[in-house]
Amino acid sequence: DVKVTQSSRYLVKRTGEKVFLECVQDMDHENMFWYRQDPGLGLRLIYFSYDVKMKEKGDIPEGYSVSREKKERFSLILESASTNQTSMYLCASSLSITEDYGYTFGSGTRLTVV
Amino acid sequence: GQNIDQPTEMTATEGAIVQINCTYQTSGFNGLFWYQQHAGEAPTFLSYNVLDGLEEKGRFSSFLSRSKGYSYLLLKELQMKDSASYLCAVRGENNNAGNMLTFGGGTRLMVKP
Repeated sequence: DVKVTQSSRYLVKRTGEKVFLECVQDMDHENMFWYRQDPGLGLRLIYFSYDVKMKEKGDIPEGYSVSREKKERFSLILESASTNQTSMYLCASSLSITEDYGYTFGSGTRLTVV
Repeated sequence: GQNIDQPTEMTATEGAIVQINCTYQTSGFNGLFWYQQHAGEAPTFLSYNVLDGLEEKGRFSSFLSRSKGYSYLLLKELQMKDSASYLCAVRGENNNAGNMLTFGGGTRLMVKP
């Protein structure tokens, strides 16, 4: 069974802390994505990566960075956490060729910044 | 640009049929997806349409009209466990991440006894 694993289900951090959210997939997928999901705003793309060491900004990259040193792992970094980054963060992966199931999602990390 | 619209909330009765609409305006089109997301959980794949017409999968069906930029998800014989959010997503032009999806805001469906 294919899997995308996010390291933490719930996380509470203080304002100004550097926060690492980890995502690992075991499907040998080329593409990996980080979204945040907020009520009324849906899923918004933060960053994505289509290959090792490659990264592209999504729609809302400000305040975030990413790292993809290995194909299976895609990390989201909040350089200095702020309260407006309190959200549900979803990681997803996909193959680069056309597929009929789109993304496989992780179970999400609910981050609260206090 | 990408714009995907779907109703915010819908309510239906157990055993009934409900149709959730999605309209889209995107730069390029390479398929439309529906995902189901229960509260606090990850979205899970429901259906995929790339050609016009109806795709049926058990109690769930999805329809696509590319000329109208329109899709709907049809849920039959509603069950309480169908209470969830339903996300419409469009795959646009191929880019470096050739499989990138843009999501609508989701429709929260409440099924009542």
